[in-house]
Amino acid sequence: EAGVTQFPSHSVIEKGQTVTLRCDPISGHDNLYWYRRVMGKEIKFLLHFVKESKQDESGMPNNRFLAERTGGTYSTLKVQPAELEDSGVYFCASSQRGGEKLFFGSGTQLSVL
Amino acid sequence: GESVGLHLPTLSVQEGDNSIINCAYSNSASDYFIWYKQESGKGPQFIIDIRSNMDKRQGQRVTVLLNKTVKHLSLQIAATQPGDSAVYFCAERENNFNKFYFGSGTKLNVKP
Repeated sequence: EAGVTQFPSHSVIEKGQTVTLRCDPISGHDNLYWYRRVMGKEIKFLLHFVKESKQDESGMPNNRFLAERTGGTYSTLKVQPAELEDSGVYFCASSQRGGEKLFFGSGTQLSVL
Repeated sequence: GESVGLHLPTLSVQEGDNSIINCAYSNSASDYFIWYKQESGKGPQFIIDIRSNMDKRQGQRVTVLLNKTVKHLSLQIAATQPGDSAVYFCAERENNFNKFYFGSGTKLNVKP
């Protein structure tokens, strides 16, 4: 069974540009989460999808961040326009409906120069 | 949500010794805790979990202890091996909402 996959693994962009991160959860997992780790700090919650619906987006930093999960399968996280403080590792995780254990992808290392 | 913190950012141990990684949490409403291991270039991987109605749980070479009185969680690794070198995160879940709060991580270095 394939795990959670994220693309790209690394992205280097300039301030003001747009970047779109993609996450493919484990097949059949209704729950999909985005987390971010900035500068070696804690892993912070961004948002939670249940299928295609946003269950909780309280962790989204500001309106430059837009997450979608059309069709309830893969998800994208767009940052537009990117700022320097957006640099970090963006993790995606998924879990089964009613499941507690989160399965993480390898993350996308985003560097904004 | 309240933050989860770690006592030591870096821990160095000799191969074969036991390791103890500590974590303090502040939300008494948290009902479920997980330890994750993150190796370089990979995402966090589940190690072991414990519910708030337990104070100890054992896995293979790992034990998690939960002290709700002082809001403290620890991960014990027996006979630490080089492959245990990684960053370890504790995570707490608040009140059955499947939203986890993570600490900043402890880096474990295993010296041969």
